Amino acid sequence: GAVVSQHPSRVICKSGTSVKIECRSLDFQATTMFWYRQFPKQSLMLMATSNEGSKATYEQGVEKDKFLINHASLTLSTLTVTSAHPEDSSFYICSARANRLEAFFGQGTRLTVV
Amino acid sequence: QKEVEQNSGPLSVPEGAIASLNCTYSDRGSQSFFWYRQYSGKSPELIMSIYSNGDKEDGRFTAQLNKASQYVSLLIRDSQPSDSATYLCAVSNFGNEKLTFGTGTRLTIIP
Repeated sequence: GAVVSQHPSRVICKSGTSVKIECRSLDFQATTMFWYRQFPKQSLMLMATSNEGSKATYEQGVEKDKFLINHASLTLSTLTVTSAHPEDSSFYICSARANRLEAFFGQGTRLTVV
Repeated sequence: QKEVEQNSGPLSVPEGAIASLNCTYSDRGSQSFFWYRQYSGKSPELIMSIYSNGDKEDGRFTAQLNKASQYVSLLIRDSQPSDSATYLCAVSNFGNEKLTFGTGTRLTIIP
């Protein structure tokens, strides 16, 4: 399958700081990228959908000013968690999809806010 | 009614037996169907995709799709302990990039 690289895999930050997570499709051009959050023993929760060069579409209840998504190219999307708080601690996963075919996931980022 | 439904399990299957995972969906416009495997603490990994009615086989895995019944299943033959994971069913329709996931079925293969 196609390769989606997500970085960093693990990050610990202080409350009030911002964290940026990168998601790259390494061997294909992703027309759409998705960002998910997953709490322990729970299912994936879609946060937002982004298309290259346009604003992200956020799911209901997700604060767009807190979770900034940039999809500057067909191979790179970033999620910035601004002013992080302990309740933002979670497993964040990106997914990339090309032309409505299969979606491939990055390795995920485990964020811990202390 | 949830858009994509799966039995949460846990489903326990003896090693070497066939594991059968089921998924139903509510949107009749759904066109693309996927099965993902997720190990604890890891991100989902694509196992199978299926787009037309019938069976699709890949190694020990067989996906089955019945659009009339709005049902998709995954069979795992010769189950191995390494198949123990949560299996996620995902569905999308032709006009939508977004995948809708079920809550997943936790499968345990008993040695």
